[in-house]
Amino acid sequence: EADIYQTPRYLVIGTGKKITLECSQTMGHDKMYWYQQDPGMELHLIHYSYGVNSTEKGDLSSESTVSRIRTEHFPLTLESARPSHTSQYLCASRGRGPNYGYTFGSGTRLTVV
Amino acid sequence: LAKTTQPISMDSYEGQEVNITCSHNNIATNDYITWYQQFPSQGPRFIIQGYKTKVTNEVASLFIPADRKSSTLSLPRVSLSDTAVYYCLVGEGNTDKLIFGTGTRLQVFP
Repeated sequence: EADIYQTPRYLVIGTGKKITLECSQTMGHDKMYWYQQDPGMELHLIHYSYGVNSTEKGDLSSESTVSRIRTEHFPLTLESARPSHTSQYLCASRGRGPNYGYTFGSGTRLTVV
Repeated sequence: LAKTTQPISMDSYEGQEVNITCSHNNIATNDYITWYQQFPSQGPRFIIQGYKTKVTNEVASLFIPADRKSSTLSLPRVSLSDTAVYYCLVGEGNTDKLIFGTGTRLQVFP
């Protein structure tokens, strides 16, 4: 049973459209992350957050933006989608302490046509 | 963050034990070792985490030698449903971010 939810699961959208990928977690985790993964390739960190009102860019440059107004919610927005944004976007969260693994959502597979 | 090296792919048959080794020569004193499993079109799933010696849970075992420069994920009696990509990650105990490598693609045959 998932404790972190991503919607939509699949999205096909036209070039130039603005989109927001939703991510919510019910575990009260402070740290949340967005990863981007192309098929068969490794995950790349694009954004993360330590808590409310905290956002940081990850290792892979991304044209997307994120916000963290509530602990449980970490949406990702693309102001103007392009075909190069076609990918899978994975949201994750992590609890405190050294031995807390990440919990990932099921992902949003985005296709920009 | 310590870089990890693991085999790109491995093949096995149902019922066999599978051992996937990961090298992390530059592991720091406060780094933990974590393994994740990922099925196609899903997010990675936490399998096991350890700091030293041996850790066992209901899914797998993790063996870490004294120098901690490598670790081995052991999957007992694999089944077809264990076909997935397995990632070895090394990071600080309370790291803000983990970096995923290419992982090991395990294919289990009947």
